[in-house]
Amino acid sequence: GQNIDQPTEMTATEGAIVQINCTYQTSGFNGLFWYQQHAGEAPTFLSYNVLDGLEEKGRFSSFLSRSKGYSYLLLKELQMKDSASYLCAVRDGSGGYNKLIFGAGTRLAVHP
Amino acid sequence: DAGITQSPRHKVTETGTPVTLRCHQTENHRYMYWYRQDPGHGLRLIHYSYGVKDTDKGEVSDGYSVSRSKTEDFLLTLESATSSQTSVYFCAISEGTGGYEQYFGPGTRLTVT
Repeated sequence: GQNIDQPTEMTATEGAIVQINCTYQTSGFNGLFWYQQHAGEAPTFLSYNVLDGLEEKGRFSSFLSRSKGYSYLLLKELQMKDSASYLCAVRDGSGGYNKLIFGAGTRLAVHP
Repeated sequence: DAGITQSPRHKVTETGTPVTLRCHQTENHRYMYWYRQDPGHGLRLIHYSYGVKDTDKGEVSDGYSVSRSKTEDFLLTLESATSSQTSVYFCAISEGTGGYEQYFGPGTRLTVT
């Protein structure tokens, strides 16, 4: 089966660092995406990991461990505009098609 | 921003009526998707298309049908709307299905009374 777990809510302080974890179980892992979604808006792409290790992109970094079925999104120097939901999505290639399976999302609130 | 529009953006309809949502892209991407987003469930795939007239079911396809007669348009139809189909519907597009990210449209908020 397929299962993606991430915390429902997190809070953090402006200027701090926050780590959002995602664990997954899937039979045909073929990459992991992180998306950001502000309330009432569409999800927007943040990062993609297919190999183990850390991918850094400005204030955001994403890590993947395929053996552990684990990823995290690291947000540095938090800003108020980072208050949003963060969606972990696993690409599953089983069944002959690379479908995207989304977690329920982590709602991050950044406080002054 | 990827050129994706959805219409209508908001709709209220009554149980039992047919509803069609439209997704239009200007990117000439091959793949198009319809998702629904509900609290606690995240985004769930309804149907997807891998070319004109080529479509397949996702994980929550019951009660929905789709059509794609042109590269740029992907229609989602609720043949007879039910209250359980009250949701926010997102269309997405992608160039491919490997490491290609999906770009999402602005969403349609559908309420079935």
